[in-house]
Order: sequence, then structure tokens, then C-alpha cells
Amino acid sequence: EVKLLESGGGLVQPGGSMRLSCAASGFTFTDFYMNWIRQPAGKAPEWLGFIRNKANGYTTEYNPSVKGRFTISRDNTQNMLYLQMNTLRAEDTATYYCARGDWEAIDYWGQGVMVTVSS
Amino acid sequence: DIQMTQSPASLSASLEEIVTITCQASQDIGNWLAWYQQKPGKSPQLLIYGATSLADGVPSRFSGSRSGTQYSLKISRLQVEDIGIYYCLQAYSAPYTFGAGTKLELK
Repeated sequence: EVKLLESGGGLVQPGGSMRLSCAASGFTFTDFYMNWIRQPAGKAPEWLGFIRNKANGYTTEYNPSVKGRFTISRDNTQNMLYLQMNTLRAEDTATYYCARGDWEAIDYWGQGVMVTVSS
Repeated sequence: DIQMTQSPASLSASLEEIVTITCQASQDIGNWLAWYQQKPGKSPQLLIYGATSLADGVPSRFSGSRSGTQYSLKISRLQVEDIGIYYCLQAYSAPYTFGAGTKLELK
């Protein structure tokens, strides 16, 4: 069974940093692209970026809306995905999801973790 | 960025009714279109990928179609468990973009 479990969310002050983690299990982690997607309360999801699979060199793509502030990485020995978020703003407040997949299908999402940016 | 214009924003329908939701892409995205259902407090669940392929475990009353740059999700006979918010997602080119969502309610 595919499982994705996010952690690391909470309250952070504007300008601060936070790192989210996503523990993956139930599939061969290195075979898959992994995504971060966020969703502000009551709004549509927003794709933040992905990190490619082993066959594609684990390279990354980002949404311009977060490029330069957010960094996606993975630890393939631990089946972990990370999102490093810097210079956080109030508009970054959202539920953050990790999700498996690429252009063919983003098929499994985690349950999400809340991030609140507020003083 | 590719814009996905989703309609309607909200929809009220009766049990067993046929429901159709559409997404219009601002440019050609081929078949790289997925549909998701989201229930309150839950993460989105994949229904359709590749514009027309049914995801594993999804009831056959859900179907997807494409006409040019317009994509449709059809529920052939609405059931109580189909209530929620539906989103389309284009994965043709980064940044991937979602439609604004359709809130489906029971009449």
C-alpha cells in the first residue's frame, strides 16, 4: 500500500524558514517523481514543484511563484522527500501535500500538513 | 503559464442525475489532464488521468473526455458519496496548474 506522510508543519513568523518532510512507503521510491503541492484554506491547490526520479537524475522543477525561496530534495536511502521553505510570507499559509507521480498521473497524495505564517 | 478555466464553480444536482464538469485549457495540453475529487478535510483523490483513463478503484460511473482543448468529467448517475469539490490539473508543462474547482452538492 502506497503511503505518504508529511510532517514538520506549524506556526512560523514572516521571514522565517521551515522544512517539511514526507515519509514514503509501499513503492520503489527511486522510480517516481515526487511533488509538493499546497492548498490555502478554501482555495484550489497550487503545484509547487517536483524532483525527478533516478532515471532522470533527480533534477528539480519549480513553480516561478516559489522558485528561489523553496527547495525540494530527497533522501533515497530513507525514502524521504523534503521541502525547505525560506523567507516565508503570510501568503504561504496553506496545507502542504507531498504527492507521487509525473505528467502521466499524480496519483497518490499524503494527508497534508498545515503551515501558518503569522506574527 | 497554462490557464485552466473550470466550470461551473458550483453545481447542485439530484441523486441518479448526470453531472458534467468542464475545464478549458488556454493552449494545447494533449491528453495530460487529470481530475480529482476532494472531500472536506481530505486530500484530493485521483479519478481520471490521461484525460480519459479511469484510476484504480474509481467507479465506472465516472468518465473523462476531450474535445480539442476542452476537457469534461462526467458522472453518469450521481451518488451521495460523489459530493465534494472537483479539480482538473494540467500536467503538460510546468508549472502544472489546477482549475479553480467545482463544488458539487445534492439538490
